[in-house]
Amino acid sequence: EAQVTQNPRYLITVTGKKLTVTCSQNMNHEYMSWYRQDPGLGLRQIYYSMNVEVTDKGDVPEGYKVSRKEKRNFPLILESPSPNQTSLYFCASSSFTTTENTGELFFGEGSRLTVL
Amino acid sequence: RKEVEQDPGPFNVPEGATVAFNCTYSNSASQSFFWYRQDCRKEPKLLMSVYSSGNEDGRFTAQLNRASQYISLLIRDSKLSDSATYLCVVNGFNNNDMRFGAGTRLTVKP
Repeated sequence: EAQVTQNPRYLITVTGKKLTVTCSQNMNHEYMSWYRQDPGLGLRQIYYSMNVEVTDKGDVPEGYKVSRKEKRNFPLILESPSPNQTSLYFCASSSFTTTENTGELFFGEGSRLTVL
Repeated sequence: RKEVEQDPGPFNVPEGATVAFNCTYSNSASQSFFWYRQDCRKEPKLLMSVYSSGNEDGRFTAQLNRASQYISLLIRDSKLSDSATYLCVVNGFNNNDMRFGAGTRLTVKP
């Protein structure tokens, strides 16, 4: 089954304790991206990756890191989480590139993170 | 001004009703447009793309007005299962230009 898998789905942590949210897709997609969703703000892009070893900042990258060592995996790293990073996080992937704009993003089920 | 604006709702309608959502966008260079559906506590999923000529998929009709920079979604004969949040998505030249609206919540009641 084609899917995007995120882990953990739910996490409560404390300020400053490093954490990683994993994301894996089995559709051989080049493009992967992380979003956070907050009430009234819609989804905002954190980081994206056009292919292996190619990553770039989205609209709200502060406090986050990513890596893309393999095509299927795109982990999101919070080196020193703070309460303002409490949010619902979605990983997404797509097969389209800059010249092919079909627009369909496949999302993971989301990871709800609470930072105390 | 937000790049993509939607009426947050909620829209509460009876089964069988017709309901319409609008979405405005600020970037006149936007190239492609979509409606995504997001069920409560779930991930967004593509509902339909929006083409310049307008397009229909069963009970759903999407339209684009480039001059006024808005897109619309019309749902006819609403079903209980249509209850969800509908996200307007606007894209530029690159897939990393995607901009999401905050969503419009629809509740269809018996």
